[in-house]
Amino acid sequence: DVKVTQSSRYLVKRTGEKVFLECVQDMDHENMFWYRQDPGLGLRLIYFSYDVKMKEKGDIPEGYSVSREKKERFSLILESASTNQTSMYLCASKRRGTGELFFGEGSRLTVL
Amino acid sequence: AQRVTQPEKLLSVFKGAPVELKCNYSYSGSPELFWYVQYSRQRLQLLLRHISRESIKGFTADLNKGETSFHLKKPFAQEEDSAMYYCALSGQSSASKIIFGSGTRLSIRP
Repeated sequence: DVKVTQSSRYLVKRTGEKVFLECVQDMDHENMFWYRQDPGLGLRLIYFSYDVKMKEKGDIPEGYSVSREKKERFSLILESASTNQTSMYLCASKRRGTGELFFGEGSRLTVL
Repeated sequence: AQRVTQPEKLLSVFKGAPVELKCNYSYSGSPELFWYVQYSRQRLQLLLRHISRESIKGFTADLNKGETSFHLKKPFAQEEDSAMYYCALSGQSSASKIIFGSGTRLSIRP
């Protein structure tokens, strides 16, 4: 069974803090993705990576950065958290050449 | 530009009634289309993809390239179908992004 693990289920941070969201997958998948999930807006792609050290901007990259130093780990960084970044963040991975995404349980971030 | 549109935020039908969740897309090229489902307190998971042309849990979806649609259908809804459904699109390159629609909440009334 593919396992995508997001290290924090719930976080509460203050405006201006630096936030790290970690995601680890155990199935040697090449591609990894970060989405945010908001009611009425669905899933919006922040960044994705198709290989180690490779990253591509999604549709809403502003205010975010990512790091992919190892194949199994894809980190999302909020350099200076703002209240409009309060959301559910979903990490997903997939094997290159296949279409199926495997999702983590999500990290619910609240920025006060 | 890639875009996935799900026009209905909420769809409520009675048990045993037919269900159709709409999905329209825009993409220049040949996309891959998917339906994902999120049951209460569970992770998002793949329900079906257009290339497999299979029926999962009684659901089917046909890709209509002329109408750029990929509607999800089930002839007889069951209470356990209540969930959030997302349509998704990907290009065929291994480096393609995968984008989602805004989702439709399906509620099955007993």
